Amino acid sequence: ILNVEQSPQSLHVQEGDSTNFTCSFPSSNFYALHWYRWETAKSPEALFVMTLNGDEKKKGRISATLNTKEGYSYLYIKGSQPEDSATYLCAPFGNEKLTFGTGTRLTIIP
Amino acid sequence: GAGVSQSPRYKVAKRGQDVALRCDPISGHVSLFWYQQALGQGPEFLTYFQNEAQLDKSGLPSDRFFAERPEGSVSTLKIQRTQQEDSAVYLCASSPRNPTESNQPQHFGDGTRLSIL
Repeated sequence: ILNVEQSPQSLHVQEGDSTNFTCSFPSSNFYALHWYRWETAKSPEALFVMTLNGDEKKKGRISATLNTKEGYSYLYIKGSQPEDSATYLCAPFGNEKLTFGTGTRLTIIP
Repeated sequence: GAGVSQSPRYKVAKRGQDVALRCDPISGHVSLFWYQQALGQGPEFLTYFQNEAQLDKSGLPSDRFFAERPEGSVSTLKIQRTQQEDSAVYLCASSPRNPTESNQPQHFGDGTRLSIL
């Protein structure tokens, strides 16, 4: 079982501010790192799948970086909007399956 | 719709009853996954299928849990003699390629919230 840690557990951010949070995972036997966004009463939605060390991906105001040697990924949100309120889950792929962290619950304050 | 569909959305059962949860994956998707999400936790892997073959069921918590996908499309997760600790959200996901392909994002349903009284 992979040990996946996400921090912080929860976060309140003022609308318009930028924020970031962390996913830590074992660096050995790395294959891929997935990020998902899960809004209340909806289904988890894939944001990024990252495979290469130093990779950086961007989707609108959201971006992510990956360091496979030290086993961490950062997710950044620029200019937070109310629709960014959700739980953000990371999941490394190992042993032929995804192992999810407990998530970072982000609340945007209007 | 074109997404993953799960039913029912909510299920309340008495301890000891059997329940069946259904997942309709995206048409043509090869892989289907089941996860259990307890309160305050991330989704935990239960089992996955490649077409009709159940390749990994290592995450099933006990022999009361059983999953099938007989025709390689719709899947059912059955829980026999439910216990209170089975209360959780059960998520289903599918992807178009083989389940061992690490770079394939998974497409999730809305989940079934199961409450055992």
